[in-house]
Amino acid sequence: GENVEQHPSTLSVQEGDSAVIKCTYSDSASNYFPWYKQELGKGPQLIIDIRSNVGEKKDQRIAVTLNKTAKHFSLHITETQPEDSAVYFCAANRDLLGNEKLTFGTGTRLTIIP
Amino acid sequence: EPEVTQTPSHQVTQMGQEVILRCVPISNHLYFYWYRQILGQKVEFLVSFYNNEISEKSEIFDDQFSVERPDGSNFTLKIRSTKLEDSAMYFCASQQGTEAFFGQGTRLTVV
Repeated sequence: GENVEQHPSTLSVQEGDSAVIKCTYSDSASNYFPWYKQELGKGPQLIIDIRSNVGEKKDQRIAVTLNKTAKHFSLHITETQPEDSAVYFCAANRDLLGNEKLTFGTGTRLTIIP
Repeated sequence: EPEVTQTPSHQVTQMGQEVILRCVPISNHLYFYWYRQILGQKVEFLVSFYNNEISEKSEIFDDQFSVERPDGSNFTLKIRSTKLEDSAMYFCASQQGTEAFFGQGTRLTVV
């Protein structure tokens, strides 16, 4: 089955700087890669996703890049703000039009230092 | 905005007792999941449910676990005889298309 590795496990960044979180996956059939943000006491919330037919996707301060050949994808957050502090999870699945479980990475605790 | 709701938010139970975790998925969604997250570890898939039956389950989802959609709105996870190692956050998710929407979770503590 799919295995997703995520690095780093913790990341501290000065407010205004950029943060990068990286994930690798093992199943070459995976083609959907979402990123979730989990705030304290809440469930994971989707913040951005990418499919294998594109190499990069951007939404305001958040971007995701995908290298399907190397089987890795990354989350980039620019101009970080205190409210970006949370745990971030990458995930992967085969995106078979629904009913496909997600395999999650181990999570990155991001702390933005004011 | 539609959301997935879970109850209770926190459940403490004695080892060997049965627990039922409840979820109300988003109303027009067809695919439902339970995931769990042991403290400090990754979110792990337990089971998926579609058309009133289990479509996939993980190795974790043994005979002590069961799921049900008793009334067309609620989606429940039952653990028949809880063990200490069942202590975790349990997340329900519902999905229509690609995006999975997660509830806020139930923290289960087995003592």
